[in-house]
Amino acid sequence: QKEVEQNSGPLSVPEGAIASLNCTYSDRGSQSFFWYRQYSGKSPELIMSIYSNGDKEDGRFTAQLNKASQYVSLLIRDSQPSDSATYLCAVNGGSNYKLTFGKGTLLTVNP
Amino acid sequence: GAGVSQTPSNKVTEKGKYVELRCDPISGHTALYWYRQSLGQGPEFLIYFQGTGAADDSGLPNDRFFAVRPEGSVSTLKIQRTERGDSAVYLCASSLTYGADEQYFGPGTRLTVT
Repeated sequence: QKEVEQNSGPLSVPEGAIASLNCTYSDRGSQSFFWYRQYSGKSPELIMSIYSNGDKEDGRFTAQLNKASQYVSLLIRDSQPSDSATYLCAVNGGSNYKLTFGKGTLLTVNP
Repeated sequence: GAGVSQTPSNKVTEKGKYVELRCDPISGHTALYWYRQSLGQGPEFLIYFQGTGAADDSGLPNDRFFAVRPEGSVSTLKIQRTERGDSAVYLCASSLTYGADEQYFGPGTRLTVT
């Protein structure tokens, strides 16, 4: 059973701080890794994708991947109240199409 | 451009009834996926289409669930003899091609079986 694990939270950070979200996965054959943001009552919105070891930055977001440790993380710099949402980690295994999601981490950014 | 669209946005049906949920992918996207999300969970894979054919339907929970994509664009997820346990948000996603491409989700259909 391929699994993706995330801390359910809630993770609470003050406005302007760095939020760090973590994810581990069980399938060593996994090829692609994604972070989705999901506001309450809405559908998942893709915010980051990462395919190779290391860091990938996009604005205030940085995704980090370590395949040896089977670990992927998302850093959100200068957190804003509008970042308050559930963040879903998704992994595309060797099948190359089927995404396996974690349960998500609820992030709350306090003004 | 337009994103993935899904209709209806909400569907309430009685136990035992038949329902159809529709998905219109992003124009030009050849791959289409259906997922189901229950409260407090991440989306779970149901079925994947590459073109007109279902390339993988291993996530469909039982034979009451069926999906089609006859012309390689719009897809319909069909649920027969609905049960209360089928209540969830049904999400459709599309990607440009088969493979590691990013998947973009539609707004979902919230199905409630009473």
